[in-house]
Amino acid sequence: NAGVMQNPRHLVRRRGQEARLRCSPVKGHSHVYWYRQLPEEGLKFMVYLQKENIIDESGMPKERFSAEFPKEGPSILRIQQVVRGDSAAYFCASSPGPHYEQYFGPGTRLTVT
Amino acid sequence: GIQVEQSPPDLILQEGANSTLRCNFSDSVNNLQWFHQNPWGQLINLFYIPSGTKQNGRLSATTVATERYSLLYISSSQTTDSGVYFCAVVYYGNNRLAFGKGNQVVVIP
Repeated sequence: NAGVMQNPRHLVRRRGQEARLRCSPVKGHSHVYWYRQLPEEGLKFMVYLQKENIIDESGMPKERFSAEFPKEGPSILRIQQVVRGDSAAYFCASSPGPHYEQYFGPGTRLTVT
Repeated sequence: GIQVEQSPPDLILQEGANSTLRCNFSDSVNNLQWFHQNPWGQLINLFYIPSGTKQNGRLSATTVATERYSLLYISSSQTTDSGVYFCAVVYYGNNRLAFGKGNQVVVIP
């Protein structure tokens, strides 16, 4: 069984560009979570989505960040007009339902130059 | 506020030694997971253990939900056990994992 897939694994963007991070959950999982690991800050929740719905976005920065999980295709985390402070590892996790075990992907390491 | 506290923050072990990592949490939980983040940055699921005891090879974990703590035991440690161990919980009324700051473990040959 394929686990959670994320791509790209590494992404370099210049300040002001857009970053699009993709996450394909475990087959059959309809719940997706995004977390961010900033240097010296640990892992923090960003957003929780179910197919076509955002359930909890309380961890998302108010501006420039958005997420979607369409009926077909992967979940996308989009960061517009990136700044150096966005440099981090972004992890996606999936589960078959709320409160079930969450399985993590390998992460996307975003570097903003 | 919601807290997940892990101890000790740093641990150096001689290969073959045993160790215990502790995770304290501040409220009732639906979910508790232990992860190992390897030197390449990947998060490896170790245990899903909101209560009870589980074992997987040289690793085992115990969660005492009523006393709000979980323990991760590493026996006969190997250099490949090096990395950061994270405890994370989902509190009642929530859906998201709240992570502790981790236990940095270094196993030396």
